[in-house]
Amino acid sequence: DAGVIQSPRHEVTEMGQEVTLRCKPISGHDYLFWYRQTMMRGLELLIYFNNNVPIDDSGMPEDRFSAKMPNASFSTLKIQPSEPRDSAVYFCASSPLPGYVRSYNEQFFGPGTRLTVL
Amino acid sequence: AQSVSQHNHHVILSEAASLELGCNYSYGGTVNLFWYVQYPGQHLQLLLKYFSGDPLVKGIKGFEAEFIKSKFSFNLRKPSVQWSDTAEYFCAVNPYNQGGKLIFGQGTELSVKP
Repeated sequence: DAGVIQSPRHEVTEMGQEVTLRCKPISGHDYLFWYRQTMMRGLELLIYFNNNVPIDDSGMPEDRFSAKMPNASFSTLKIQPSEPRDSAVYFCASSPLPGYVRSYNEQFFGPGTRLTVL
Repeated sequence: AQSVSQHNHHVILSEAASLELGCNYSYGGTVNLFWYVQYPGQHLQLLLKYFSGDPLVKGIKGFEAEFIKSKFSFNLRKPSVQWSDTAEYFCAVNPYNQGGKLIFGQGTELSVKP
């Protein structure tokens, strides 16, 4: 398996522009997670999906952020308009089976997208 | 609010020294526990995990962690570190009734001097 795939790996954009980050989870995984990593705040969960349905978006910073999962093999995280404080590394992760099957909720992380907003 | 605390922000050791990184969580119910490692420039990788059973868990690369339920702790240990262990280490908690959601600690940066 290729693992979790994210694109682009690096993105540099100017303030006010729309940014779209993409993620392909591991095939067969039911859960997909979007995280943001910064020096100041560490690793924050933004949103996660179960079977393509958003379950918890309480970590999404504000309305400028939106995430979709149109099918089981693809998700996007969009920032519109982008701001310099959005600069961070954005990770996508996927996980098989829900947490009540205790041995199956390990998360597998993608390589991340390093976003720089000028 | 549920949280995970890692006591040390940055640890510097010499090769062959012993390592212990602290992790405490605030959640009263059943939890699954994880340690992830992030090598410089790379993504997070699972180091070890605890779901149930023996509270002393062994992971990859000689790492182990001990779950002490009464102390809400899950400390990471390694008897003898190597230069290649230089990385950032994250403790994470999955509350049992919250699906696959992980709550991460702030991370501990480990620097091992050769």
